[in-house]
Amino acid sequence: GAVVSQHPSRVICKSGTSVKIECRSLDFQATTMFWYRQFPKQSLMLMATSNEGSKATYEQGVEKDKFLINHASLTLSTLTVTSAHPEDSSFYICSAPGLAGGASDEQFFGPGTRLTVL
Amino acid sequence: GIQVEQSPPDLILQEGANSTLRCNFSDSVNNLQWFHQNPWGQLINLFYIPSGTKQNGRLSATTVATERYSLLYISSSQTTDSGVYFCAGGYSGNTPLVFGKGTRLSVIA
Repeated sequence: GAVVSQHPSRVICKSGTSVKIECRSLDFQATTMFWYRQFPKQSLMLMATSNEGSKATYEQGVEKDKFLINHASLTLSTLTVTSAHPEDSSFYICSAPGLAGGASDEQFFGPGTRLTVL
Repeated sequence: GIQVEQSPPDLILQEGANSTLRCNFSDSVNNLQWFHQNPWGQLINLFYIPSGTKQNGRLSATTVATERYSLLYISSSQTTDSGVYFCAGGYSGNTPLVFGKGTRLSVIA
């Protein structure tokens, strides 16, 4: 199946700093990628949809100026958490639809990035 | 939008027992997936099953699309099956998945 990678897998930063998380589709192209956030003992919630060549669309309640998304190429989307605060500590996971032109609607998920803001 | 209900929220099993997890959807979906989240948080894709039945070892899943529900069967459970199981649905591959709240499974020896 298709593989999605994320980097870094874990990051600890001080309050007020910015953190960049990369999401890559390794063996397929993805014009769309999705970013989810998961707080402890909760489910995954969609944050935003990343679109190659255009602006991301954000879910209600997600600050677009705080969570900057750049879909720079057909295989890379980045999420930058600007001026991170402890309440931004969470598990961030990206996903991408399956092989372009395939018969399946299956989505493939990255391994996630655990962000801890001190 | 799509609403996803999972049941039961928590489940404790003796090793070797069988179990059934259920997922109900408020709307018809063309993408339905089951995941197991391991202790490190990684989502392990169990099944892509918008309809029909699939089996993979001790796990199987059935989706009745016309009635908007899906079932995940775990047979002869092992302690390594412990974790959180999520189902998620979406209208298509290019729309985001909506996740249920998960079933937290504990298998005890």
